[in-house]
Amino acid sequence: EDQVTQSPEALRLQEGESSSLNCSYTVSGLRGLFWYRQDPGKGPEFLFTLYSAGEEKEKERLKATLTKKESFLHITAPKPEDSATYLCAVQPQGGLGFKTIFGAGTRLFVKA
Amino acid sequence: DAGVIQSPRHEVTEMGQEVTLRCKPISGHDYLFWYRQTMMRGLELLIYFNNNVPIDDSGMPEDRFSAKMPNASFSTLKIQPSEPRDSAVYFCASTRGRDSGYTFGSGTRLTVV
Repeated sequence: EDQVTQSPEALRLQEGESSSLNCSYTVSGLRGLFWYRQDPGKGPEFLFTLYSAGEEKEKERLKATLTKKESFLHITAPKPEDSATYLCAVQPQGGLGFKTIFGAGTRLFVKA
Repeated sequence: DAGVIQSPRHEVTEMGQEVTLRCKPISGHDYLFWYRQTMMRGLELLIYFNNNVPIDDSGMPEDRFSAKMPNASFSTLKIQPSEPRDSAVYFCASTRGRDSGYTFGSGTRLTVV
């Protein structure tokens, strides 16, 4: 069964304290892996798409990387405004082709 | 563009009543998705459309749920009759093409009492 597991469930950082969020996945062929940010009371906001092992994407203080079994979202020198829930999602190959499976998310708290 | 627009933002209804959630996708997007989010189960795909045609409704929990997309700019998700376990935040999302990230609406928080 296709599965996405994110860790940790919650992460508390001091402003400027860099860290990484993990997303491990089990799918029968990966079409794409997505990262989203979700603020309280809002819908998820798209951040990155990764397609193949070794690929990296960057946006401001965020960098996403992908291996054959997991993805990491690295946060460099975070600021309080980076506080949010970060969701990982995978799109398996085959089947009807568009069944994106979301992980439970990592809640990030950045303290000033 | 105003983004994906959902209405209402909040809905409180009594068990047994019919509930209709509405979504206007981004113009030009050819895929539309309905998701449900709860603390216990996270984000679950209910159904998605491509060019207004339902492609996969295997995530619809039971026959009480139905979704329509009569044209490219409007979709509805209906629950009839509603039950307390349907309480959740329902998101609509749209995208253009298969390889793009989704744009989500702000969601409808449904409470069934």
